[in-house]
Amino acid sequence: DQQVKQNSPSLSVQEGRISILNCDYTNSMFDYFLWYKKYPAEGPTFLISISSIKDKNEDGRFTVFLNKSAKHLSLHIVPSQPGDSAVYFCAASAEEYGNKLVFGAGTILRVKS
Amino acid sequence: DSGVTQTPKHLITATGQRVTLRCSPRSGDLSVYWYQQSLDQGLQFLIQYYNGEERAKGNILERFSAQQFPDLHSELNLSSLELGDSALYFCASSVGGARTGELFFGEGSRLTVL
Repeated sequence: DQQVKQNSPSLSVQEGRISILNCDYTNSMFDYFLWYKKYPAEGPTFLISISSIKDKNEDGRFTVFLNKSAKHLSLHIVPSQPGDSAVYFCAASAEEYGNKLVFGAGTILRVKS
Repeated sequence: DSGVTQTPKHLITATGQRVTLRCSPRSGDLSVYWYQQSLDQGLQFLIQYYNGEERAKGNILERFSAQQFPDLHSELNLSSLELGDSALYFCASSVGGARTGELFFGEGSRLTVL
């Protein structure tokens, strides 16, 4: 049962344009969401997070939007840079699950120069 | 460099065999997590240890076991290996809980079962 879904396996964007990565979840108990980025041959690294009490969190070029009614979140990267090319994982957590993070399958972002 | 060290980086073995994956967390981190990433799959949570004690369990098979030692390093033991166990195994650590905090991942151990 995939509770966190990233339905787009890959996304290709021109340098300087906006990248929008989407994530849907099914468990309404999730109340904290995180994005991780992964380069080849490296482990995932934390990028940005958002609590369910907010609908937006911004950190430099990265903004995460949360739509609780739709159980949907998105990561916006503006402007996209070639160095942003990586796999992006969405993750969610719920107090009832303790410290377990539930990850999506990831989206491969390619930023073309 | 996340500060989390995993060994070996690559491992090739045969079905039915047993392997041990090792993880050294970041200095000061008490929590260690193990995740499995199979082809085209997300990171599947296996197990978490906090200061030597098992804290949370995910979809970890009975053929798999883990432990965290007094020096806080952790080992994941995989036995009676099957072809489907081929995957990338990540270890991650955190100061406390990962729920709202940052997980620091190692580079992973790629296991190939032939």
